[in-house]
Amino acid sequence: DAGITQSPRHKVTETGTPVTLRCHQTENHRYMYWYRQDPGHGLRLIHYSYGVKDTDKGEVSDGYSVSRSKTEDFLLTLESATSSQTSVYFCAIGGQETQYFGPGTRLLVL
Amino acid sequence: KQEVTQIPAALSVPEGENLVLNCSFTDSAIYNLQWFRQDPGKGLTSLLLIQSSQREQTSGRLNASLDKSSGRSTLYIAASQPGDSATYLCAVRADSGSARQLTFGSGTQLTVLP
Repeated sequence: DAGITQSPRHKVTETGTPVTLRCHQTENHRYMYWYRQDPGHGLRLIHYSYGVKDTDKGEVSDGYSVSRSKTEDFLLTLESATSSQTSVYFCAIGGQETQYFGPGTRLLVL
Repeated sequence: KQEVTQIPAALSVPEGENLVLNCSFTDSAIYNLQWFRQDPGKGLTSLLLIQSSQREQTSGRLNASLDKSSGRSTLYIAASQPGDSATYLCAVRADSGSARQLTFGSGTQLTVLP
């Protein structure tokens, strides 16, 4: 594994509550990514970061925000969770050649 | 917008068979293409990466090919084993943009029967 941890690994929450997922890396990579994985859709990019305080939107960014105050941490926040955000969330690090993925967080929004 | 398709969605073969997984993409302006393996409940593990200028890459029993002009890649697995059972994902990396974003297919779920 490329030194990527995600927390929590599993979470159950209720509609309308805010949720924050954390990705932590020990590899000092500049780029970090958040994806969601749903049946029939593969992985889709939510947001990515190209440095401390530098972030940009991906394909499915609505309803999500991110923050990166340190190189090693990239936070994903669901501002007001909805049932459609039930998914498996993966963090990745890397650059223009390849990416390394974390173990994932399973989120269930009731 | 890049679209990546993997066919079939699921495949079941007896142990020892050689097999081919297919990946197609709509925009040939790619930087590279990567094949990943995903075990149930786990993250993704990179298997092979092919640069846009390359035609194929090999690692052990795995061989991946790339035909950029036709928008196709194949992953060939020789002498399949039950331990090869997993979901295989194809992803293409954009040829532009600072992050060179990855676009994934939805995967092929492979089961190798003992």
